[in-house]
Amino acid sequence: DTAVSQTPKYLVTQMGNDKSIKCEQNLGHDTMYWYKQDSKKFLKIMFSYNNKELIINETVPNRFSPKSPDKAHLNLHINSLELGDSAVYFCASSPGLAGAEYFGAGTRLSVL
Amino acid sequence: AQSVTQLDSHVSVSEGTPVLLRCNYSSSYSPSLFWYVQHPNKGLQLLLKYTSAATLVKGINGFEAEFKKSETSFHLTKPSAHMSDAAEYFCVVSDRDDKIIFGKGTRLHILP
Repeated sequence: DTAVSQTPKYLVTQMGNDKSIKCEQNLGHDTMYWYKQDSKKFLKIMFSYNNKELIINETVPNRFSPKSPDKAHLNLHINSLELGDSAVYFCASSPGLAGAEYFGAGTRLSVL
Repeated sequence: AQSVTQLDSHVSVSEGTPVLLRCNYSSSYSPSLFWYVQHPNKGLQLLLKYTSAATLVKGINGFEAEFKKSETSFHLTKPSAHMSDAAEYFCVVSDRDDKIIFGKGTRLHILP
């Protein structure tokens, strides 16, 4: 009965590879988010989608491309991975636009 | 421009004593404010949120926070700490431009 689930939990890959992280929420929420938590635990919002439409796109390299096939899913695809992409990525959802309420358990990405 | 400052990076309290985690914010508009908790190797969990209703907000696990506009503060309190409260706590501000800013976190240590 996980509210927000993201896969995989751990991802180890070489520099230059392309990888995807999937996120699904079963709460019926309209808004989904991707956050990046760096090694210093500082969280930054990357993207926000409301009913499959992009509403927040922070200063993120265009190697990162979110895809929302429906409002219950928000996947993150990353091209040409770099060492600096190593972080924990959190998916989240909320019923409206007043901020994320439920977070997934995170995906720890390590780029070697 | 909005910002959020968590005044203490670490707080240590004895079990059974009160907890105070401090947060100051700045926002051009009437903000929404949140507190999240992150236990080790777990995702973020929403503790409570303020969205322009009552200024004293009660959350889960006995936590509460008071919105003080004159002091631009949103401090998190709990009357009696429990060992299970040991975690990292994040104060978050969101305004009507859908910009979401996380504080850098406060690690709460509970002493036996």
